[in-house]
Amino acid sequence: KQEVTQIPAALSVPEGENLVLNCSFTDSAIYNLQWFRQDPGKGLTSLLLIQSSQREQTSGRLNASLDKSSGRSTLYIAASQPGDSATYLCAAPYSGAGSYQLTFGKGTKLSVIP
Amino acid sequence: ETGVTQTPRHLVMGMTNKKSLKCEQHLGHNAMYWYKQSAKKPLELMFVYNFKEQTENNSVPSRFSPECPNSSHLFLHLHTLQPEDSALYLCASSQTDREQFFGPGTRLTVL
Repeated sequence: KQEVTQIPAALSVPEGENLVLNCSFTDSAIYNLQWFRQDPGKGLTSLLLIQSSQREQTSGRLNASLDKSSGRSTLYIAASQPGDSATYLCAAPYSGAGSYQLTFGKGTKLSVIP
Repeated sequence: ETGVTQTPRHLVMGMTNKKSLKCEQHLGHNAMYWYKQSAKKPLELMFVYNFKEQTENNSVPSRFSPECPNSSHLFLHLHTLQPEDSALYLCASSQTDREQFFGPGTRLTVL
């Protein structure tokens, strides 16, 4: 069974700062990993899907890395903005009983202070 | 509409009521999912459907009954719920084993 841990649980940074969010997973036999953003009371927005064959995936100011051997992924946010304030969720797949499932971490709540 | 839609967005029901949540995806995906998100807990997968067939039921109580009439629509029928079932219910879709896309969720309150 897959277990996903995200550190820190909450993070507060001044606007403009670069930051890193961490995700670790127990079952390294994954073929992709997905990062999401969730605003309060809302659904999840997919940010990046990184394949196991990739080491990094970039979208705008976001960069996700994946190290399967150590069971870790990081999400790097450059030049943070107040609009980046949200909860960021990491999800790793688990193939249980023939179906594809995502196991989620509890998330990192990010506050970017103007 | 595009993406994944869910209705209603908010629902308040008593413990003896019967209601249904609806999810529709306009992405041509073949897999659909129901998740439950309670306060201070990780997202919990409830059900998975691949090509309209249920492939996963993560020990969900029988008061939650899913229905998938086709690959674009997914329902969650609710009856005799408990106050602890109050949560945000999220629907997602994907091509099997690919990136998942989520709807906005239904905020359910059980009185």
